[in-house]
Amino acid sequence: SYELTQPPSVSVSPGQTASITCSGDELGSKHTCWYQQKPGQSPVLVIYQDVTRPLGIPARFSGSNSGNTATLTISVTQAVDEADYYCQAWDSSTVVFGGGTKLTVL
Amino acid sequence: QVQLQESGPGLVKPSETLSLTCGVSGFSISSGYYWAWIRQPPGKGLEWIGNIYHSGRTNYNPSLKSRVIISVDTSKNHFSLKLSSVSAADTAVYYCSREENSRGIDPWGQGILVTVSS
Repeated sequence: SYELTQPPSVSVSPGQTASITCSGDELGSKHTCWYQQKPGQSPVLVIYQDVTRPLGIPARFSGSNSGNTATLTISVTQAVDEADYYCQAWDSSTVVFGGGTKLTVL
Repeated sequence: QVQLQESGPGLVKPSETLSLTCGVSGFSISSGYYWAWIRQPPGKGLEWIGNIYHSGRTNYNPSLKSRVIISVDTSKNHFSLKLSSVSAADTAVYYCSREENSRGIDPWGQGILVTVSS
């Protein structure tokens, strides 16, 4: 079965750039999405089709996808961005999630 | 604005069947999209269970396929999940959502915690 691998945790200082990676076999040939989940809340879509932000998502969130790695980048990271982030892709007609990355802003 | 709301028992006994329903408002299921179930065990990551199209076509997570049935009732604008032979490992927050290939899973319901315990 298809697997997506994320680092368990990433730390960043306020105002700096955070990068969260997601690795999978030939992931660049698939569309990748990213979700933000804060404690006690439902996940929220922050990037779809590798690079597109839904309406209402701040421009500091961006994405890329090439080769075997997709990356979520948060520029000028704020305390409010502290959350768990999940990547997601489709393998045939099934959905696969990465294990999630806890972003700490300190 | 599309909204989804999960409903069902919060406690299920081991070996029994977990049954949940997702009510959809602000959008007609018959208009398209896939409608999905996703779960999250306490303190763990997201696991996709499966989805259904308004026509009734389904896709399931291979690891759960033998125990899962997802159905849709377009007249009531809701879809449902049945997970049989549950165990403590099925304890999780269960989310329903709308899914579109390449465009993501959005929006999500608020989630419902289902505990499997005697």
